[in-house]
Order: sequence, then C-alpha cells, then structure tokens
Amino acid sequence: GQQVMQIPQYQHVQEGEDFTTYCNSSTTLSNIQWYKQRPGGHPVFLIQLVKSGEVKKQKRLTFQFGEAKKNSSLHITATQTTDVGTYFCAEGGGSNYKLTFGKGTLLTVNP
Amino acid sequence: ETGVTQTPRHLVMGMTNKKSLKCEQHLGHNAMYWYKQSAKKPLELMFVYSLEERVENNSVPSRFSPECPNSSHLFLHLHTLQPEDSALYLCASSQDAAKVKAFFGQGTRLTVV
Repeated sequence: GQQVMQIPQYQHVQEGEDFTTYCNSSTTLSNIQWYKQRPGGHPVFLIQLVKSGEVKKQKRLTFQFGEAKKNSSLHITATQTTDVGTYFCAEGGGSNYKLTFGKGTLLTVNP
Repeated sequence: ETGVTQTPRHLVMGMTNKKSLKCEQHLGHNAMYWYKQSAKKPLELMFVYSLEERVENNSVPSRFSPECPNSSHLFLHLHTLQPEDSALYLCASSQDAAKVKAFFGQGTRLTVV
C-alpha cells in the first residue's frame, strides 16, 4: 500500500529556533494531511493540501506540497513550548478509504 | 473536545478476558475508523466503516472484532489478546470515507497482562 516516509524521527530545538519536518513518498500522493499529537493526547487535524505546489500558512506554521505531489513539509517559525508534540503527515481519502500515516516527528522544545 | 468519545480511557485485561471498547461520535459523520498506536510504530489502520458497512479490514487478527450498529457508534470486541496487543486504540470519524479529515477520540490505553 501507499507508504509515506517522514523525517526526522526526533527533533530537539531551543525555544525561538525554527523547525521543519518532511514527508516523502515514492509515488504520487492524492493529498497530504498534517496532524499534531500532544504528549498523552490524540492526533488533531491541522491542514490538508491537495494541489501541486500548494502552500498554506497557519500563524507560525507553513505547509507545502511538492510540485510532483511526492513530498510535503511542515515548517514552524520561532518555536514555542506549546509546539511540543508529534507531527504526523498522512495520505488518503478519495476512492481509497484509508488514511495512511507516517511515523511522525517528535518535537521537543527547550525553554 | 473533538466530538468523538471513547470509553474506557484505560483498560487492563488478562489474556483470557473478553472486553469491548466503545466509540461514539456526535458529528453526524458517516465513516468511522479504529487505529492502533504502539510505541515506535506509525498509526496502524485496523478497520474502516462507511455508512455502517465495513469497507476495510487491514489484516487484523480475529481476536479483534469490530461492530458498527449505527453511524454514531463503533465497538471493538477483544478476546484472548496477547501482551503485544497492548497499545493505544484510537477511534476516528470523518464526514465520509472519500473526504478523510479525521477527528480522533482520546483513545483507550490497553494493557494486556
């Protein structure tokens, strides 16, 4: 089935530094979604990207979908301690009922 | 509060026990999902129901048995589990299986002893 590879697995930053996580696939993705899971919590939907080259922003978060629709990135500017958690990318929907998740990137922020 | 409620939040069961996990969604969604989340593994899709019909069974062992009596409720019946089945079990719902924006419940932390 569809596989999405996510890197890095872990990232530790100082508060105020930027952070980026990447999601890659060997095949074309129909869409890419991003979720955040706080420690001890459950995944929460952040955004969905559908179009080639699409870029969306949510305050300090910038999401990109590659031109070939095989990769995506989530960039956080000037991290805060509230950004701590695991960020997952996922692909699915359409005629495929599945929502397939990457392994996630665990972000920790040192205050 | 996501509109998806799971009970119980924590469950400890022996390998010979039978228990059930419950999920209820108040969002009017037509699709519901069971996911398993283990340490150091990605979220694993177990089952998908669309309009109360099972549309995906992702090679899950028969000791896990799902039930979807209506579009608002989803159960996962457990029997003769193994210690390696210990994990966080997450329920999710979406508007329909073609527009998967998943809303997750808070999960049931299951420990098999």
